[in-house]
Formats: sequence, C-alpha cells, structure tokens
Amino acid sequence: KQEVTQIPAALSVPEGENLVLNCSFTDSAIYNLQWFRQDPGKGLTSLLLIQSSQREQTSGRLNASLDKSSGRSTLYIAASQPGDSATYLCAVPSGGSYIPTFGRGTSLIVHP
Amino acid sequence: GAVVSQHPSWVICKSGTSVKIECRSLDFQATTMFWYRQFPKQSLMLMATSNEGSKATYEQGVEKDKFLINHASLTLSTLTVTSAHPEDSSFYICSARGPETQYFGPGTRLLVL
Repeated sequence: KQEVTQIPAALSVPEGENLVLNCSFTDSAIYNLQWFRQDPGKGLTSLLLIQSSQREQTSGRLNASLDKSSGRSTLYIAASQPGDSATYLCAVPSGGSYIPTFGRGTSLIVHP
Repeated sequence: GAVVSQHPSWVICKSGTSVKIECRSLDFQATTMFWYRQFPKQSLMLMATSNEGSKATYEQGVEKDKFLINHASLTLSTLTVTSAHPEDSSFYICSARGPETQYFGPGTRLLVL
C-alpha cells in the first residue's frame, strides 16, 4: 500500500522567498505524481502532473521534480507571494493503480 | 481541461435525515468516479470507487449501507449519506477518471446538526 509523507507539515515565510516542499512515497512503481493546492474550505486545484517517464514539470513560478528511484518529489515555488498561501497536497497512485493516495499536505503561509 | 462539478457546494441538515450529493463530469465521460472524505486539517481519504452500471467498491471501514453510491450514467455519480449524524459532518470531494488523470470536483461541505 502506498504511503505518502509530506515535509514540512507547515511553513510560514516572508514574501519573496523561494520555497521547497517535499513529498516522499514508499512504492515507486507509479504512473504519475500530482501536486494540488487547496485553499481553506475549498476543493483541489491541480498544479502540476508529472508522468512517470518525466523528471520535472514547470508552470510559471512552480517547478516539480520527480525521482522515482528514491521515491521523492519536490515542489519548488519561486518568489513566493501572499496569494500562494494554501495547503499543498502531493498525490501518488499505488503501484499498478491509477487511484492516488494523498499526503497530509504542507500548510503554507506567505506573509507580506 | 476536464471539469467536474459537485452539487450542492454545502448543506446543513438535521440529524437523522439523508443527504444526496451529485458529482458530474461536464465535458467528458467517466466510467469510474471516486468519493473522498476530508476531515479538518486531515488529508483526503478514499471512501469508494464508483463504477458506471455496477456496484461501488468501498474501502475498508466505510459502511456501504450508510454511504449509498449510484453511478447511473457516464457523467453522473451520486453519494447519499443516509440517516446522517454529526460525526458525518465533513468535506466530501468526488473525482472522475479522465483522459490523463483524475479530475476533482470542488467539494461539498456537509454539516449535520
């Protein structure tokens, strides 16, 4: 069974800092890995989807990398802004499945 | 991109009543949909997999008689919380398997008084 761990659980930083959020998973036989953003009381917003054959994906100030062999992914947020404040969730399917298991998330606060 | 909607977005009900939540894939057909539950400050936990035209598959510990799932068409799955109690209060999110990955709905917040 896939287990997904996200570190840190919470992060509070001043505006402008570059951030690294970490995600580790136990079963490396995956089809893909996805990063989501969740605002308080809201649903999920997909940020980046990395297929198993890819090493990274970029969207604007966001960059996600994937190292299947070590069971790790990182989400890099450049020049953080207060609007980036949210919970960031990493979702990874179990080996041989397309159904994702979610980490507990990293709660990010970017203060002005 | 693929869009999944949920209705209602929030609902308040009295203990003992039943509540139905709809999940629709708006621009694609989904033979498989999923229902998740999220408690405050917790991650999403898969409750069940909904298969069009057949019975849902429930995760361990989820009561199938309490959480009725119907997937009657390729674009609609419903979750009915029967005889709801305060401990059922939660955020319920559905997803549908689409072209590349799963696409998630905006969620339904249920509060049982």
